[in-house]
Amino acid sequence: KAGVTQTPRYLIKTRGQQVTLSCSPISGHRSVSWYQQTPGQGLQFLFEYFSETQRNKGNFPGRFSGRQFSNSRSEMNVSTLELGDSALYLCASNLAGVQETQYFGPGTRLLVL
Amino acid sequence: GESVGLHLPTLSVQEGDNSIINCAYSNSASDYFIWYKQESGKGPQFIIDIRSNMDKRQGQRVTVLLNKTVKHLSLQIAATQPGDSAVYFCAETLAAGNKLTFGGGTRVLVKP
Repeated sequence: KAGVTQTPRYLIKTRGQQVTLSCSPISGHRSVSWYQQTPGQGLQFLFEYFSETQRNKGNFPGRFSGRQFSNSRSEMNVSTLELGDSALYLCASNLAGVQETQYFGPGTRLLVL
Repeated sequence: GESVGLHLPTLSVQEGDNSIINCAYSNSASDYFIWYKQESGKGPQFIIDIRSNMDKRQGQRVTVLLNKTVKHLSLQIAATQPGDSAVYFCAETLAAGNKLTFGGGTRVLVKP
C-alpha cells in the first residue's frame, strides 16, 4: 500500500505571497493532520480533517487554513507568508483517529525569502 | 512534551550496545503515546506505541516503558545498529482527539 504523499517536496516563496500544499493520505485513511516542524519550535500541530470537516485545530494564526476533499486528499494554505513560516510541513493520516497510529509523509520544505 | 529548541540532546552509543531514550510528557490526561524516528530529509516514522493502561510494550528490538506517576516515557533499543542513527520523538495524545503533542526530540548517533 502506498504511503502518504505530499507535493511539492520543495518550495521557495517570497514574503507576502500565498502557498498551497497538497497531501494524499494512505488509501482508506479518512483522517489527515498537518504539522509544522522548525528547529526552534519543533513539531507543532496545525489542524486535523476528517470527512471533509476540520475536527481539531492548533494554535496558529488564521493565515493557516486547510480543507479536505471527498477522496480524503487534503490541502493546506498559508496566506501572506512571513519569514517565520519557513519550515517543513508534514502531513499524517490514519483510518479515523482516536488512539490510532498516524503515518507521516515526507513533508514539504517551504523557504520564505 | 515540550520543544527544547535548536539544540537537541544527543545520545552517542556504540554499535551493538543498548540505547535508552527518555521523554517527559506534559499532560497527565494523555492516554496514548507514540515513539517516532526521523531520519534526515524524511518524515517521522512510527516505531512503537503504548496506551495508558499498560506500562510496558515490546516490539522488534524496541521496548517502550510508561510511568504515569512521574509522566515519563522511555524507549529502549536493543543491539543498536548504524541504521538506528536518527532523531527520536515521543508524542502524546488524548483519547478524544488526533492531535499529537511532540517532545523536543533526542538525536541518537551510533558509533561503529
